[in-house]
Amino acid sequence: GAVVSQHPSRVICKSGTSVKIECRSLDFQATTMFWYRQFPKQSLMLMATSNEGSKATYEQGVEKDKFLINHASLTLSTLTVTSAHPEDSSFYICSARAGVNNEQFFGPGTRLTVL
Amino acid sequence: AQSVTQLDSHVSVSEGTPVLLRCNYSSSYSPSLFWYVQHPNKGLQLLLKYTSAATLVKGINGFEAEFKKSETSFHLTKPSAHMSDAAEYFCVVSDRGRGRTTSGTYKYIFGTGTRLKVLA
Repeated sequence: GAVVSQHPSRVICKSGTSVKIECRSLDFQATTMFWYRQFPKQSLMLMATSNEGSKATYEQGVEKDKFLINHASLTLSTLTVTSAHPEDSSFYICSARAGVNNEQFFGPGTRLTVL
Repeated sequence: AQSVTQLDSHVSVSEGTPVLLRCNYSSSYSPSLFWYVQHPNKGLQLLLKYTSAATLVKGINGFEAEFKKSETSFHLTKPSAHMSDAAEYFCVVSDRGRGRTTSGTYKYIFGTGTRLKVLA
């Protein structure tokens, strides 16, 4: 089956630092990758959609300068949380899709804690 | 616009009894529907999906769901709950017709989740 990995699985950082999270599709080429955020005991909220080689499309209310997304290849997308603050602490989940009508395959998530 | 409503935020059942997790959706066009399970501090696992083939969909771990267009429902059921079924369950809708983002992709819309507790 299609496998999506995320690295790191958890990260703790100091306030004001930047953190990069990687999302990789291991056995397929992902034309589109999605980044979600999940607060404790809540549902997943889509942050942005990225297509390989083009700029990401951000959902309303998501700061594009704070959450930088790069989809440099068909198997890798990165999310960089810039100048992280404690309110950015959350579970970040990526997903990848091979084609327009194909289902999304989810990564295992990255738990970010900002002190 | 598409939306999904999970009618129960918490469901408790005794081990060995049936499970019913309710989901209603709203979609302008032919939807794809999914159920995912999430165990504590883990990622999402796909239980089953409906994409316009058979209306009764069988998934993993004994779960199944029935797509009822007239009721706009996609309830998740299991005949006999197991302790390991205790988790958070998400119903997801995705339009396969219109309803795209400006990027031209098909978004997943997540329900708010149902936490299933299984009592010994």
